[in-house]
Amino acid sequence: GAGVSQSPRYKVAKRGQDVALRCDPISGHVSLFWYQQALGQGPEFLTYFQNEAQLDKSGLPSDRFFAERPEGSVSTLKIQRTQQEDSAVYLCASILDRAGYEQYFGPGTRLTVT
Amino acid sequence: GQQVMQIPQYQHVQEGEDFTTYCNSSTTLSNIQWYKQRPGGHPVFLIQLVKSGEVKKQKRLTFQFGEAKKNSSLHITATQTTDVGTYFCAASKRRTYKYIFGTGTRLKVLA
Repeated sequence: GAGVSQSPRYKVAKRGQDVALRCDPISGHVSLFWYQQALGQGPEFLTYFQNEAQLDKSGLPSDRFFAERPEGSVSTLKIQRTQQEDSAVYLCASILDRAGYEQYFGPGTRLTVT
Repeated sequence: GQQVMQIPQYQHVQEGEDFTTYCNSSTTLSNIQWYKQRPGGHPVFLIQLVKSGEVKKQKRLTFQFGEAKKNSSLHITATQTTDVGTYFCAASKRRTYKYIFGTGTRLKVLA
């Protein structure tokens, strides 16, 4: 079956632009994470959804970052007024049930802010 | 905040040698997961450990969770070139949803 998909795979944004990154989890997966991975580092937690409820957003770096999952499936991570320090790979992971189980990662979106 | 340290940061081994990476937390963990990320790829789940002192094996890979649930290790016996990549642990505390990923150990295997 299809895995987790993310789009776009690559995004170049000028500083100050808004961007929207999409995650399509595996069908039927209840939980969804967003992570930010800088070059040479491990993924850093951004936010967690269980169905449509955002249960933890403590990892979002600033109020310029916003995530939603309105129908409990597709999720969008939006970054407003992008800054150079936002350049990273943004990974989405879905889980069949609640947190505490195997995370299936998507290929990521590489965001470059110029 | 919670930090998860991994050592070593890098490891170069000759093919056939063994390899071990260690993951350490300052606080007690609920569970720990291990992932492998190939260069240019995304993390792929390997295993989850939940119980104190738990040991799990997958072919040449052996995973261990410490008795105090503050540390874990991944040991690869007789490395192969296909083992190349970065190995991450991801730790979770009780009553939180977030996973904290370790700093990773980048493994290179020389043929």
